[in-house]
Formats: sequence, structure tokens, C-alpha cells
Amino acid sequence: EAQVTQNPRYLITVTGKKLTVTCSQNMNHEYMSWYRQDPGLGLRQIYYSMNVEVTDKGDVPEGYKVSRKEKRNFPLILESPSPNQTSLYFCASSISGGAFSYNEQFFGPGTRLTVL
Amino acid sequence: RKEVEQDPGPFNVPEGATVAFNCTYSNSASQSFFWYRQDCRKEPKLLMSVYSSGNEDGRFTAQLNRASQYISLLIRDSKLSDSATYLCVVTLPLSSGSARQLTFGSGTQLTVLP
Repeated sequence: EAQVTQNPRYLITVTGKKLTVTCSQNMNHEYMSWYRQDPGLGLRQIYYSMNVEVTDKGDVPEGYKVSRKEKRNFPLILESPSPNQTSLYFCASSISGGAFSYNEQFFGPGTRLTVL
Repeated sequence: RKEVEQDPGPFNVPEGATVAFNCTYSNSASQSFFWYRQDCRKEPKLLMSVYSSGNEDGRFTAQLNRASQYISLLIRDSKLSDSATYLCVVTLPLSSGSARQLTFGSGTQLTVLP
């Protein structure tokens, strides 16, 4: 089954404790992206990756890191989480991220993170 | 001003009603347009792309007005299963020209009542 998976689905942690949220897709997509969703603010892009070893900042990259060592995986790293990073996080992928494309974004099921 | 604005609703309509959502975008360089649907606490899923000529998919019709910078979604004969949040998505080409930035509206909540 074609899908985007994220782990963990739920995480409660404390301020400053490094964490990683994994994202994996099995569709051989080039483009992957991380979003956070907060009430009233919609989905905001954190980082995106056009292909292996190519990553770039989205709208709200502060406090996050990513890597793209393999095409299928795009982990999100919070080196020192803070309470303002409490949010619902979605990973997404699409065939490509070309400037004028109408490619569909496929989203993972989401990770609900609470930072105390 | 937000880059993509939607009426948050909620829209509560009876089954069988026709309901329309609008979404305005601020950047005239926006290139592609979509409506996504998000069920409560679930991931967004593509409902339909919105093309310049307008397009229809069953009970759903999407239209784009570039001059006024808005897109619309019309749902006819609404079903209970249409209850969800509808997200307007607009893309911009980045300065590099090789990538695009997706900007999501905050969503419009629809509840279809029996």
C-alpha cells in the first residue's frame, strides 16, 4: 500500500530533551516536507526537501533540523524542544516539487507532540 | 494580511443543501491551487485541484478567478460524509524557480446535519 508513515504518533516530552520524529514514504517520491498545524494558523511548512541531500527552510524552521540521506526517509529533529513547539506535525511527500506542478501531496497520519 | 484567507465557519447545513466556500490569496504570482479535505484529527487529503477553466468532480465544483485572486468550492447535494474541514492551498514558485512553496489556509469547517 502506498503510504507515508510517521513515528511516533503521540509523544509527550520535557523541555530540552532531544527528539526525532521519523517519516518514511514508499512511493519513490522526490519531494518531502514537514508541516506543523496549530489552531487558527493552518498548516505551516517547516522544512522541505527536493531530493536526496537537498533540503531547505520553509516558513517556520527555527528550532528544527532535518536530513535527507535516503530518498524514502525525512526525519524531523528537535534538538532542544520548547513548549511553543507543542503542535500536530505532518510529513508529506509528492512525486516532485516543481515550481508549476499540480502534484498531489500525500500526508502521513500526523504526530501529536506535547512539550512540557 | 494572511497570504491565504478562508472563512473559518463553522458552516452547519442540512443534508442535501448546496454550500459554497471562498478562499482569497494575496500573491498574484500564485501558480497552482487546490482544495484539500481534513477530517477531525486526521491528515489532509487532496479533494481536487483547481484549474483556470474551472473543474467539476461529481458533486464538487471548483473555480478560480485570477483577476480577483480567489478560488471557490461548491458542494451540491451535501452528504453527512462531507462533514470535514476544507483547506484552500495555493502554491508559489520560489525565487530559485525550481521549487514551489505551498501555503495553506486555516480551513473552513463544514458540518452536514441529518
